[in-house]
Amino acid sequence: GENVEQHPSTLSVQEGDSAVIKCTYSDSASNYFPWYKQELGKGPQLIIDIRSNVGEKKDQRIAVTLNKTAKHFSLHITETQPEDSAVYFCAASINTGNQFYFGTGTSLTVIP
Amino acid sequence: DAGITQSPRHKVTETGTPVTLRCHQTENHRYMYWYRQDPGHGLRLIHYSYGVKDTDKGEVSDGYSVSRSKTEDFLLTLESATSSQTSVYFCAISAPGQGYEGYTFGSGTRLTVV
Repeated sequence: GENVEQHPSTLSVQEGDSAVIKCTYSDSASNYFPWYKQELGKGPQLIIDIRSNVGEKKDQRIAVTLNKTAKHFSLHITETQPEDSAVYFCAASINTGNQFYFGTGTSLTVIP
Repeated sequence: DAGITQSPRHKVTETGTPVTLRCHQTENHRYMYWYRQDPGHGLRLIHYSYGVKDTDKGEVSDGYSVSRSKTEDFLLTLESATSSQTSVYFCAISAPGQGYEGYTFGSGTRLTVV
């Protein structure tokens, strides 16, 4: 099956700085890559996603990039704020609606 | 999380006892999933359903069974709970092809097996 690796496991940034989280996947057939944010005591929440026919997608301060050749994708958060502090998960899927393979998560702390 | 609820939110049970967790959705999404979340492992799929009475195994299905008799309900059963099944369990729903490719997760059930 698919194997998704996520780095770093923890990340601390100063408020206002940028944060980058990287994931790699193993199965070249994967074609859908969502990112989730999980706050303490809550379920993961979808924040952005990208399909394999797109190289980059932005939504306000959040962007995701995909390099199909290298089989890696990244989450970029600009102008970080304390409320961005959470655990972030990447995932990969071959066919949406079926199994998502998740990374092991990145705990992001934004220092005021 | 709007449209999806899990019950109970917390449960402590003894080794060897059966346990059933419930996931209820009001979104009429076709797909429902059960994941477990453990430190260092992220989220791992236990079972999923692609319709009423249609279910399939995920990567960590041993010791678990599921049932879906109605679109809105997806039950996860631990037939004989073990300490290794202590975890946080998340239910998720999706509706690919209807604009809901990404999962919507419930708030989770924290299960402790003593």
